[in-house]
Amino acid sequence: DAGITQSPRYKITETGRQVTLMCHQTWSHSYMFWYRQDLGHGLRLIYYSAAADITDKGEVSDGYVVSRSKTENFPLTLESATRSQTSVYFCATRRSRAETQYFGPGTRLLVL
Amino acid sequence: QQQVKQSPQSLIVQKGGISIINCAYENTAFDYFPWYQQFPGKGPALLIAIRPDVSEKKEGRFTISFNKSAKQFSLHIMDSQPGDSATYFCAASHSGGGADGLTFGKGTHLIIQP
Repeated sequence: DAGITQSPRYKITETGRQVTLMCHQTWSHSYMFWYRQDLGHGLRLIYYSAAADITDKGEVSDGYVVSRSKTENFPLTLESATRSQTSVYFCATRRSRAETQYFGPGTRLLVL
Repeated sequence: QQQVKQSPQSLIVQKGGISIINCAYENTAFDYFPWYQQFPGKGPALLIAIRPDVSEKKEGRFTISFNKSAKQFSLHIMDSQPGDSATYFCAASHSGGGADGLTFGKGTHLIIQP
């Protein structure tokens, strides 16, 4: 049971380029989330989704776009990458509102 | 506005000692308080969680103490072991209205010295 997979695990890109980070889950959990982790800030919510085709902004959504056409996939796109988006990105899922949130292994992104 | 404040930022404890990490929250609508453990290069993993209807929850060497009136909760690690060395995050969420994710504290880097 793979659970949550994220790809790529590591990515180096240049300022201004478009980058898409993938998140795939095998549990059919309704809720999916994207967080970024930065030293001194902990984890901050970027976007979340309650179901396919339902998404909403989190605390730090500027510069990011998400889609969720299928329950199992929740890609995160940086439309024009900036150096401030250098971070570790975590995808998470949750089966229902009052349950545990599970995290993927993360994608380490470096924007030059 | 930081809704969950965590302290200390880093902590060094001798093997066998008690590690204590504290968190305070502001939003009285929060009704779920988990603690996550994260090892280098890995995603956070749920360690233990509590809801406001109880003041304490224990799972093995890990205990959450919860003070609703003070809006504070803490993690106690008894008989701390070198394998407990990790970063710990407290978090909070509320189950009513919307599908919000967790609000995290900034983390505590715990080192258990052998």
